This record gives sequence, structure tokens and C-alpha cells, in this order.
Amino acid sequence: SAVISQKPSRDICQRGTSLTIQCQVDSQVTMMFWYRQQPGQSLTLIATANQGSEATYESGFVIDKFPISRPNLTFSTLTVSNMSPEDSSIYLCSVRSGGNTGELFFGEGSRLTVL
Amino acid sequence: SQQGEEDPQALSIQEGENATMNCSYKTSINNLQWYRQNSGRGLVHLILIRSNEREKHSGRLRVTLDTSKKSSSLLITASRAADTASYFCATDPTGGGNKLTFGTGTQLKVEL
Repeated sequence: SAVISQKPSRDICQRGTSLTIQCQVDSQVTMMFWYRQQPGQSLTLIATANQGSEATYESGFVIDKFPISRPNLTFSTLTVSNMSPEDSSIYLCSVRSGGNTGELFFGEGSRLTVL
Repeated sequence: SQQGEEDPQALSIQEGENATMNCSYKTSINNLQWYRQNSGRGLVHLILIRSNEREKHSGRLRVTLDTSKKSSSLLITASRAADTASYFCATDPTGGGNKLTFGTGTQLKVEL
């Protein structure tokens, strides 16, 4: 299993600003996954963060808007840049067990509200 | 785009009744997983069923998988008020790069 801590748990932000979300895992993992959950919706994968290489972004998500860092095997950050109200969502960090073939473990999420 | 479509979108039952949720998907998979989410918090893994398995049990949970129909169901027996949550299926597509794709979810409400 893995224990994931995310900060901040929630924040209210002004339009046009940027916010960085931190994700700390209690064990070393090769891949970390960032998901977005818009209000009342399911989860959509933003990107996969690999240590030592550039993050891999899913269709519809770009590095300029969601830059990701992965400085080591236990930590990652996701920045939501130049925010608009449409970015109001829960952002979730997760890792997989079993050599990336098992279940996902999630942090509690970061709930962002953009005014 | 979403891999899985779930139905019903919402389900309201009385405590003690069984709850059944269905998930359909589109491509071949390595496994299918079910997750639970309470009130917009992080998701919790419930059960994983591999593509070569047809049925799996865990406590009050029973999951079936029909790869020919590309569908799965989650049955919660003898439901409790504490089972009230959103339930999501997630597929691990073959050749999908270890990335899970989540379904649309079912909101379950169990009333006393």
C-alpha cells in the first residue's frame, strides 16, 4: 500500500493566478498520476509524472497550463497556471501498486475554487 | 474521453437492500477495478478483477466481468447507510501504459 499526502487540501484562488499542488508518497514509486475531477464529474487523467523525465500529458492538457515537476521518487508537484473559473476542480495525485499493474492509491485531493 | 459508462447514474435504496451498478467499456483490458469516493474526497480501491476472471467476491461486494460484452457489475449486498458514496469503475486498457481510465460513476444513496 501507499500513503499519499497532498497540499493544499483546498484553496480559493483569484482568476489569472497560479497555484502549485504538492504530492508526497511514503514510498518510492516510478510513476505518479495526476487526475482532475470537475464538479459532479468523473476523473480525467491530466498527466503521468516519471522521475527524471518530462511528464506525459493526455489529450487536452498541455505543459504550459499544467506544469509538473518530479524531482525524486517520492514527490511531485502540479501547477495550475493562469487559472480561470473553469479550472475549479478537485486535483488528485495517485500511484499504482504492484509495479504499476495493480490498484491506484489516491491522496485526499486538492479542491480548488477559482473566482 | 471516458472509457467506461456506468448505470445507473444515481441509485437510492433502503438499508438492507442490495445495490447493483453496471459498467460498460470499449476496448480490451488487462483488468477492471472498482473504487468508492465519499463526498469529493480521495478514491478508495474496492476490488480488482482480471480479464481472465469472471467473478470475484470481497466481503459484501461481488463483481462480475463479461469480456465478450465488455461489461462489469458491482453488487453490494445488505447495504448500509455508510455505503452512501459514489462508485466508479476503472479500466486498465491493454497496451494502455499503466494508465487507468475511469467511468462516469454511480451515486449511491442508502437510506435508513
